[in-house]
Amino acid sequence: AQTVTQSQPEMSVQEAETVTLSCTYDTSESNYYLFWYKQPPSRQMILVIRQEAYKQQNATENRFSVNFQKAAKSFSLKISDSQLGDTAMYFCAFIDTTGNQFYFGTGTSLTVIP
Amino acid sequence: KAGVTQTPRYLIKTRGQQVTLSCSPISGHRSVSWYQQTPGQGLQFLFEYFSETQRNKGNFPGRFSGRQFSNSRSEMNVSTLELGDSALYLCASSFGSRSYEQYFGPGTRLTVT
Repeated sequence: AQTVTQSQPEMSVQEAETVTLSCTYDTSESNYYLFWYKQPPSRQMILVIRQEAYKQQNATENRFSVNFQKAAKSFSLKISDSQLGDTAMYFCAFIDTTGNQFYFGTGTSLTVIP
Repeated sequence: KAGVTQTPRYLIKTRGQQVTLSCSPISGHRSVSWYQQTPGQGLQFLFEYFSETQRNKGNFPGRFSGRQFSNSRSEMNVSTLELGDSALYLCASSFGSRSYEQYFGPGTRLTVT
């Protein structure tokens, strides 16, 4: 069975600083996709970044980047130059290429402090 | 392109009643997934539909059901509501037969009293 673990329920960071959110997953599949979703207090879930397991290069989207360690089954999200609008719940998610179901972690609540 | 829409946004029901929630996916998207989100359990997968067929189902009782129409719009129904069904119900759509990237709606906040 696939599992996704986010071990940091809450985190905080000073505005303009860098923060890293952790995620580990467990799967026996070799081909899969990993995602980070952001859910601001308004509740609309937004896709932040996506990583394909067969790609060794870490994905980057503006201030958001990931550190994907396939052997360690680790997928952390780094947010650089944190902004107040980054305050949200962040979910790590996994889907393998044979399935049709996303598996989500329990989320990390990030607060950016002015 | 319009995003995923869900109606209603808020709903209050009493125990024993039934409720139907609606989800309209992004135009062109054929897969719709439903999730229940609660503070204690996080995001729990309910079911996924593609081309009017349920392809995958989570571990929820039979009181939770769904369907998808030919225009890809989806509904989920919860019968005999219980207090524990109070949650945010999220719908997500994706384009193809493999749901590699899902786009979420704003959710329906269901409160059961």
